[in-house]
Amino acid sequence: KQEVTQIPAALSVPEGENLVLNCSFTDSAIYNLQWFRQDPGKGLTSLLLIQSSQREQTSGRLNASLDKSSGRSTLYIAASQPGDSATYLCAVRRQDTGRRALTFGSGTRLQVQP
Amino acid sequence: KAGVTQTPRYLIKTRGQQVTLSCSPISGHRSVSWYQQTPGQGLQFLFEYFSETQRNKGNFPGRFSGRQFSNSRSEMNVSTLELGDSALYLCASSPHPGEQYFGPGTRLTVT
Repeated sequence: KQEVTQIPAALSVPEGENLVLNCSFTDSAIYNLQWFRQDPGKGLTSLLLIQSSQREQTSGRLNASLDKSSGRSTLYIAASQPGDSATYLCAVRRQDTGRRALTFGSGTRLQVQP
Repeated sequence: KAGVTQTPRYLIKTRGQQVTLSCSPISGHRSVSWYQQTPGQGLQFLFEYFSETQRNKGNFPGRFSGRQFSNSRSEMNVSTLELGDSALYLCASSPHPGEQYFGPGTRLTVT
């Protein structure tokens, strides 16, 4: 059974700092990995999607890496801003026929102090 | 293109009642998945529908059911509500395998 772990559970940083969020998964047979952002009481916003054959994806100040063999992914946020405050969720999809079902980590709650 | 819509956004029910939640996927998306989010268990997969057929199911009791209509809209039903069913229920639609777009969710409170 796939298990996804995110460390740290919570993080508070001053504005402008670069930071790294970590995600690990137990079964390396994944189809892809996706990072989401969730604001309090809201739905999920997709940030980055990395296919199993890729090593990283970038979007603006965000960079996500994937090391499938070691079961790890990181989300790097450059020059953090108060608007980045949210919960960040990592999720993986399996390679088998149920590819759409996501297994989520418990998230990292990020607070960026102005 | 309009995003995934879910109705109602908030709902309060009493233990023992049943509830039906609705999800309209993004136009052209034929797959709809449902997830439950609670503080204790996090986000968990409920089920997935494609072309009116359930293709995948998570580890939830039979009180949780769903269906999909010919226009791809989906409903999920929870019968005999329990306090532990209080959660944010999220719907996601997919244009193809491997990518999902989430709606804003329905917040269900069971008292």
